[in-house]
Amino acid sequence: QVQLQESGPGLVKPSQTLSLTCTVSGGSISSGGSYWSWIRQHPGKGLEWIGYIYYSGSTYYNPSLKSRVTISVDTSKNQFSLKLSSVTAADTAVYYCATRAGSGFFDYWGQGTLVTVSS
Amino acid sequence: EIVMTQSPATLSVSPGERATLSCRASQSISSNLAWYQQKPGQAPRLLIYGASTRATGIPARFSGSGSGTEFTLTIGSLQSEDFAVYYCQQYNNWPPETFGQGTKVEIK
Repeated sequence: QVQLQESGPGLVKPSQTLSLTCTVSGGSISSGGSYWSWIRQHPGKGLEWIGYIYYSGSTYYNPSLKSRVTISVDTSKNQFSLKLSSVTAADTAVYYCATRAGSGFFDYWGQGTLVTVSS
Repeated sequence: EIVMTQSPATLSVSPGERATLSCRASQSISSNLAWYQQKPGQAPRLLIYGASTRATGIPARFSGSGSGTEFTLTIGSLQSEDFAVYYCQQYNNWPPETFGQGTKVEIK
């Protein structure tokens, strides 16, 4: 069974870049079939899809965040990463990495990591 | 972007009773709908995909139905561990995949 674990700073200053990494175990990013995804949840709110990447490097981003988001993959480390630039307090959220099955639902999730944007 | 609307926002149910949650899409999404359960401090867990197919390990008391724009998640005979927030998600038109705002199932 695939397991996912997010890692990265829990505190980011406004205007800086948020950087998170998701380490995958129990499966290979290179095996294909899944899209490696980032989803966030503002405190007490619902879920917002950020984007995902296929092992080949193809990326898809939420249009509302597209200008600030970069998702990349490192197949040698079985990891994928999220960078969100020019953050503000509105980017404070729990960030989840997840696998998106080929058809479109999210079948495996990391435990999530809270990122707070504050000076 | 397809907007997903869930109702009610909060559902108060007694243990052992049935709970019925609704999800409506702003346009037809065929059967490309998933349901998730989220407990406090935990990640969402996939319950249902394809509108009616239970994910691996999900108890039979969870059932999904619907197609097009109207969908229902039914939890038969609520157990204590079922009190949580439930989200629907469409994956017919993407990007972006979109989620509903959630229905909280609380103990009556």
